[in-house]
Amino acid sequence: GESVGLHLPTLSVQEGDNSIINCAYSNSASDYFIWYKQESGKGPQFIIDIRSNMDKRQGQRVTVLLNKTVKHLSLQIAATQPGDSAVYFCAEKEGDNYGQNFVFGPGTRLSVLP
Amino acid sequence: GAVVSQHPSWVICKSGTSVKIECRSLDFQATTMFWYRQFPKQSLMLMATSNEGSKATYEQGVEKDKFLINHASLTLSTLTVTSAHPEDSSFYICSARAETFQETQYFGPGTRLLVL
Repeated sequence: GESVGLHLPTLSVQEGDNSIINCAYSNSASDYFIWYKQESGKGPQFIIDIRSNMDKRQGQRVTVLLNKTVKHLSLQIAATQPGDSAVYFCAEKEGDNYGQNFVFGPGTRLSVLP
Repeated sequence: GAVVSQHPSWVICKSGTSVKIECRSLDFQATTMFWYRQFPKQSLMLMATSNEGSKATYEQGVEKDKFLINHASLTLSTLTVTSAHPEDSSFYICSARAETFQETQYFGPGTRLLVL
């Protein structure tokens, strides 16, 4: 079946630098995407979402970019801080069925170096 | 807002016993709740989707008689792992969705189950 995957399983960045986490998706019909952050031993935490009718959305220190042509999603974290260290998952959903679940990618571990 | 809790956070049990995990939406009514299982260093795998007042929909490969789900109210769903075995040891996470939040799911903190 169709799936969501990540290019980089691990990413190490210096504190203060910007981080870019990438996600490739294969279901061209997906029209809603979410980035989640999961710290060790905790449940995923919503970071930011984007719909397929947008190509960019900004939050506090985070930006999500969507390139539907190449089916690529990215999460940019500005001025990365130690508290950003976690595993980041992208998730996709198709259609307007509110009961339908998201498909999660395998995750990228972000390590922030002092 | 959008807080989801789980209880217990940690549980250790003997093989063959049953374990019940509760998932509650604290400040909103959850029309749909989802149960996931996550093994170490792996992504979340959906087990089942439950809507209040109706039977849960299980994903392929998930035994409905082993993982009993009850969504009795708009704020509570329970997952019961029956006759647990060591291979059921995992991190179980629920999420909840309300129409007021459109399609966003909010996750609970997870329950770590260790079956001896």
